[in-house]
Amino acid sequence: EAGVAQSPRYKIIEKRQSVAFWCNPISGHATLYWYQQILGQGPKLLIQFQNNGVVDDSQLPKDRFSAERLKGVDSTLKIQPAKLEDSAVYLCASSLGGTLAEGQYFGPGTRLTVL
Amino acid sequence: AQSVAQPEDQVNVAEGNPLTVKCTYSVSGNPYLFWYVQYPNRGLQFLLKYITGDNLVKGSYGFEAEFNKSQTSFHLKKPSALVSDSALYFCAVRDPMNSGYSTLTFGKGTMLLVSP
Repeated sequence: EAGVAQSPRYKIIEKRQSVAFWCNPISGHATLYWYQQILGQGPKLLIQFQNNGVVDDSQLPKDRFSAERLKGVDSTLKIQPAKLEDSAVYLCASSLGGTLAEGQYFGPGTRLTVL
Repeated sequence: AQSVAQPEDQVNVAEGNPLTVKCTYSVSGNPYLFWYVQYPNRGLQFLLKYITGDNLVKGSYGFEAEFNKSQTSFHLKKPSALVSDSALYFCAVRDPMNSGYSTLTFGKGTMLLVSP
């Protein structure tokens, strides 16, 4: 079974530029999560999709971050414009049904450096 | 609000010795608890979880964890450490009383270093 795929693996941009990350979850997984992991901290949930609907985006900085999952499969996370404090690893995860008792399957992450 | 504390930034243990990585939590109700491991340049991998039932849960790679409600702890343990266990370990909690889609809250992580 293929795992969660993410691209690119690394991205370096200057502040005020735009960047987009892509995620392909495990086949058949209805729930998709985007996390931000700042160095020295645990992952922080940015947004959670159930199929193509948003169920939790309470911690997403909506003035600069956006995410979509149009067909209920792949997802993109965009930052526009980027700030220095956005430097982090962006992790995508998926789970089969999104129930509270399920573990989540994580992709390798995209390491973003904002200069 | 739910929270997780991992009081140790780093744990050092010699190969073959038992290891413990500590985790305490705070939730309003009965918690759902998870341990994940992160190897360098790789995503987090699920190790084990406690939902209900037996307080001692067993997971991948010989790891186990003990849920202690009175101490609000969920420490990760392994009887005999391997050098290959060296990685970053995260404890996480969910409060099932919040809603159907309760956020998974992670601790800051504990680096485990196993020396040969």
